Amino acid sequence: DSGVTQTPKHLITATGQRVTLRCSPRSGDLSVYWYQQSLDQGLQFLIQYYNGEERAKGNILERFSAQQFPDLHSELNLSSLELGDSALYFCASSADRRSTDTQYFGPGTRLTVL
Amino acid sequence: KNQVEQSPQSLIILEGKNCTLQCNYTVSPFSNLRWYKQDTGRGPVSLTIMTFSENTKSNGRYTATLDADTKQSSLHITASQLSDSASYICVVRCDMRFGAGTRLTVKP
Repeated sequence: DSGVTQTPKHLITATGQRVTLRCSPRSGDLSVYWYQQSLDQGLQFLIQYYNGEERAKGNILERFSAQQFPDLHSELNLSSLELGDSALYFCASSADRRSTDTQYFGPGTRLTVL
Repeated sequence: KNQVEQSPQSLIILEGKNCTLQCNYTVSPFSNLRWYKQDTGRGPVSLTIMTFSENTKSNGRYTATLDADTKQSSLHITASQLSDSASYICVVRCDMRFGAGTRLTVKP
């Protein structure tokens, strides 16, 4: 158990809908990262937050947005969902914002768009 | 073309044997290179993190090497166990480039 929790574990929805994925980092960790893992694209970095502020951006679509709240939990919002958005979405946390910090991954949320 | 290429795509070995997984990258410059182990359907687990100035780093039966001149890294697994069956992913931390992974299966 990494100490990172993600909810829900599974999510099934229809095209065009909007969903919110939630992540609680390990106790004391200030950085939160979001990743998408699909069968054809592998793991892709989406976005990083550090202590409530956006720190780095990866291949995140404009239809996707994220935020980190004062209690350090984070949410990833996915809107206007398409079939291709079906994937595993992982959240990871690290103690600080150094690039050498170990990231601890949560169990993931499996999103299925029908 | 992916900037982080891993080989082989998949590998089957017998329990107790050693194996080496390769990671070639073109990302430059980079701050660090990581190896992760990912069991099916679970989140990746960090094995090693190396900065560009480090040549080798060990974590139990896992040893990673890095040659910044040739832009190659390898992950050597010693005395494999059934629990080593997983995907192994190389990540070059520039803007976080992931390899496609090597799927390792250890058979009894």
